[in-house]
Amino acid sequence: QKEVEQNSGPLSVPEGAIASLNCTYSDRGSQSFFWYRQYSGKSPELIMSIYSNGDKEDGRFTAQLNKASQYVSLLIRDSQPSDSATYLCATKGANNLFFGTGTRLTVIP
Amino acid sequence: NAGVTQTPKFQVLKTGQSMTLQCAQDMNHNSMYWYRQDPGMGLRLIYYSASEGTTDKGEVPNGYNVSRLNKREFSLRLESAAPSQTSVYFCASRAIAGANTDTQYFGPGTRLTVL
Repeated sequence: QKEVEQNSGPLSVPEGAIASLNCTYSDRGSQSFFWYRQYSGKSPELIMSIYSNGDKEDGRFTAQLNKASQYVSLLIRDSQPSDSATYLCATKGANNLFFGTGTRLTVIP
Repeated sequence: NAGVTQTPKFQVLKTGQSMTLQCAQDMNHNSMYWYRQDPGMGLRLIYYSASEGTTDKGEVPNGYNVSRLNKREFSLRLESAAPSQTSVYFCASRAIAGANTDTQYFGPGTRLTVL
């Protein structure tokens, strides 16, 4: 079983809509969770981190963590074409990060 | 402040050839990492270095060696390249003290093709 599972998509939403990206993890002891954005041909960049149950908001992005159900999600409000990218979910291991395979998001103008 | 830099950006090798991928960071980070990214597989850790002078295997170390030359530089070597090593390779670094200690900063990547 993989440490982190993501729906590979692709996910398409119209401009202005809410995009919802989901991720589940297997290690119940995981404490730290991250969302990275990766544009095509580019390297991953961190957009959100979350450590506690509940919601964490940063601008148009909201990360949600539910440790009991072992899932973490990312909501993007008012989606823009510039949000079109692959979104990688990650959890922190002892010495590194475990990444999911990513969900490709396309925002249609 | 360039962050994490990698060279080369692109490389084509023949099976059996060797090469070294270079990585350097100017953020005074202690930890450095090498990942490979393949379609449908996500980012997988090859080797990491928690601090200068130490290296450890990650999830997929076979066929690779690393050297932590100093605090800034962490190189990845393929001694005898195989087509299965065709991938995009990312180097990353992380601070272990101060703010943002969980954030890994990635280099631009090296796109390697082994024929």
